[in-house]
Amino acid sequence: KAGVTQTPRYLIKTRGQQVTLSCSPISGHRSVSWYQQTPGQGLQFLFEYFSETQRNKGNFPGRFSGRQFSNSRSEMNVSTLELGDSALYLCASSLTAGVYNEQFFGPGTRLTVL
Amino acid sequence: KNEVEQSPQNLTAQEGEFITINCSYSVGISALHWLQQHPGGGIVSLFMLSSGKKKHGRLIATINIQEKHSSLHITASHPRDSAVYICVSPGGSQGNLIFGKGTKLSVKP
Repeated sequence: KAGVTQTPRYLIKTRGQQVTLSCSPISGHRSVSWYQQTPGQGLQFLFEYFSETQRNKGNFPGRFSGRQFSNSRSEMNVSTLELGDSALYLCASSLTAGVYNEQFFGPGTRLTVL
Repeated sequence: KNEVEQSPQNLTAQEGEFITINCSYSVGISALHWLQQHPGGGIVSLFMLSSGKKKHGRLIATINIQEKHSSLHITASHPRDSAVYICVSPGGSQGNLIFGKGTKLSVKP
């Protein structure tokens, strides 16, 4: 079974631009969660989607948004990029929603904002 | 607010040593996760445990729900165990996961 895939793997953008990251979960997994990892803050929860609905959202500004499609693939979007958005963005999939399910992580997208 | 504290932050060991990483959390939970992150960023879920002990190869995780404490042990450590180990607790205010800062382990041959 193929693992979680994320595209692109690396991305360089400039301040003010917007970016869309994509995550394809493991086949059969219906929940996708997104995380941001920075050297200063570590891993932080962005949001969780299940059956095309956002279940939970972390403490991030409205510039961060996401969606999930009927095939469980998910995208996250960051608008009006700031230097501080430079980070590794990880998605993880699980069979069902909720924090007590094992999550399988993708390789991440490393975003650099110049 | 749930706080997740890991210790130590950094750990250097010689190959073959027994390793212990500790995790304490402040909110009552039903289970806790341990993750391993290799250089380059890839994350692997090692354990999710709700009581007692779980073992996978040379890795052993224990949890004491009443004391709000978990430990990850590595027996006969090997240089390939070098990674960051992250303790993860449910209990965020948004119903999400709270991550410890991680323990960076370096095993020297």
